[in-house]
Amino acid sequence: AQTVTQSQPEMSVQEAETVTLSCTYDTSESNYYLFWYKQPPSRQMILVIRQEAYKQQNATENRFSVNFQKAAKSFSLKISDSQLGDTAMYFCAFMKHSGNTPLVFGKGTRLSVIA
Amino acid sequence: DGGITQSPKYLFRKEGQNVTLSCEQNLNHDAMYWYRQDPGQGLRLIYYSQIVNDFQKGDIAEGYSVSREKKESFPLTVTSAQKNPTAFYLCATRLSGTGHNEQFFGPGTRLTVL
Repeated sequence: AQTVTQSQPEMSVQEAETVTLSCTYDTSESNYYLFWYKQPPSRQMILVIRQEAYKQQNATENRFSVNFQKAAKSFSLKISDSQLGDTAMYFCAFMKHSGNTPLVFGKGTRLSVIA
Repeated sequence: DGGITQSPKYLFRKEGQNVTLSCEQNLNHDAMYWYRQDPGQGLRLIYYSQIVNDFQKGDIAEGYSVSREKKESFPLTVTSAQKNPTAFYLCATRLSGTGHNEQFFGPGTRLTVL
């Protein structure tokens, strides 16, 4: 079975600064997907960024980027130029590559951006 | 509009009553999922369905039941056997096929059992 661990229950960052959220996972699969989802106070789940395990290049989406270390089973999220709207719960998630398998989530990190 | 509808947004029930949460989608997605969210627990899988008339138990299926009679609908029944049903429930969908790896989420239903 797969597990996802987010070791930082809460974090805070000053507006315009950079913050990194940590995620580690455990799996015996060789090919899979990793995701970061954002859940703002509205509680709507929003996909932030995804990474395919067979791609060595780290994914980037505007101010969001990941550091994917496959051997270490680590998948951290870096948010640059933090904005007040980035305040949310952030969930790291794992999904097997094959079939319509469900997501396996970490417990989340609550990020507060301070003005 | 294309999307996922969960209704109602807030639901209150008395202890011992069964309650059914609605999830409807018009995205033509094959797979549908139910997750439960509790504070500090992340999202945990209750049930999922990959095709009509088929579904599989997730990690915390006890006390819940589902049906998938239509592609568009995947209702979740919370039975009186579920010991602690108060939680936030999220429905998600996914399109089958290579390259379709994103799950899309509905707005959720907050269930409170009094």
